[in-house]
Amino acid sequence: DIVMTQSPLSLPVTPGEPASISCRSSQSLLQTNGRNYLAWYLQKPGQSPQLLVYLGSNRASGVPDRFIGSGSGTDFTLKISRVEAEDVGVYYCMQAAQIPRTFGQGTKVEIK
Amino acid sequence: QVQLQESGPGLVKPSETLSLTCTVSGGSITLYYWNWVRQSPEKGLEWIGFINHSGRTNYSPSLKSRVIISRDTSKNQFSLNLRSVTAADTAVYYCVRGDVSPDYWGQGTLVTVSS
Repeated sequence: DIVMTQSPLSLPVTPGEPASISCRSSQSLLQTNGRNYLAWYLQKPGQSPQLLVYLGSNRASGVPDRFIGSGSGTDFTLKISRVEAEDVGVYYCMQAAQIPRTFGQGTKVEIK
Repeated sequence: QVQLQESGPGLVKPSETLSLTCTVSGGSITLYYWNWVRQSPEKGLEWIGFINHSGRTNYSPSLKSRVIISRDTSKNQFSLNLRSVTAADTAVYYCVRGDVSPDYWGQGTLVTVSS
């Protein structure tokens, strides 16, 4: 199985400041079609995960442009350019390059 | 707007079979891939398997011997059967649309395995 490792696991943030989450995979997620099969999700308290970014760097429909996904191969980053109070929750990365799909452990973002 | 809704028993006895159904509205299950994902404090988010638009299935190797995912296209539903459950199968179970970038998730249903 591809192991997904996120860091940090806990991230206290200040509203208006930037934040960054790292996700590393044990195998490359770059496909022969040039796409990285990596998605980012946010699970707000009491809710199901919601898709933020797909194929490594594409924002999902309705996702604010302060969320920026980047990276390739085995090293990926989700940046929030200016954190807002509504961004609190647990962020997950997920790989779809291989079966079984696997998720990172999650990064809990909370307001300082 | 696509909506997914899980349904089924919230309590299952050890060694019995966990059965859940996902009802999809706003889109046909003959399109896209349809997954089951579960979440527990111990294991986090865990992918169980999918059934695709043509009815082909694929399962997590760790659960493959106990899992069947099926569908009823006339009802626009797909289902999960997990046999021989133990306490380790206690989790919130989600049905989810999508293959490479799963986008729509159900609200989740808690299934507890206990006698």
